[in-house]
Amino acid sequence: SAVISQKPSRDICQRGTSLTIQCQVDSQVTMMFWYRQQPGQSLTLIATANQGSEATYESGFVIDKFPISRPNLTFSTLTVSNMSPEDSSIYLCSGGQREYEQYFGPGTRLTVT
Amino acid sequence: QQPVQSPQAVILREGEDAVINCSSSKALYSVHWYRQKHGEAPVFLMILLKGGEQKGHEKISASFNEKKQQSSLYLTASQLSYSGTYFCGTEGPSKAAGNKLTFGGGTRVLVKP
Repeated sequence: SAVISQKPSRDICQRGTSLTIQCQVDSQVTMMFWYRQQPGQSLTLIATANQGSEATYESGFVIDKFPISRPNLTFSTLTVSNMSPEDSSIYLCSGGQREYEQYFGPGTRLTVT
Repeated sequence: QQPVQSPQAVILREGEDAVINCSSSKALYSVHWYRQKHGEAPVFLMILLKGGEQKGHEKISASFNEKKQQSSLYLTASQLSYSGTYFCGTEGPSKAAGNKLTFGGGTRVLVKP
């Protein structure tokens, strides 16, 4: 199994600013992903974080708004840029090996005012 | 397209059984099941792969009908700790999807004493 930590756990940000969320895995994983979850709702995949190359974004998500880095097999960051109240959500990262289970971080609860 | 879960919610007494269904409109390579408690990260329960392989907890059982693109999760002799929201995540149509999951809307389970 893998243990995933995220920082910060929560933040309140002003409209127009940016926030970078960090995701650290305690072991090397092949795959890392970023999800968004509104309270009480399902998880929506934002992008696949690719090690050493540009992330692969899902429909409706773009690199300018959600730049992602993954410098190695245990760490990734997601930046939420030029935030608006619509970006208020819980952001989760996950990691795992191909064809095996994914493990999720505890999430970052973001509120944009 | 998001898989459809049913029922949306279920209330059980301790010791009772329940079945949660997950149905997809597209061919699937694998189905993953997770349980999420309020304010916590989703926790892996089970993965079912095309071809019949299963990986997961011994106390959780599930089935995967590849032809019907459906999976069911069986909660047997439910315990209070089974309460939470259950999500299925589907991957497909082939393993080339690279563990990228599309999650269903979730099923809220409440187990009462």
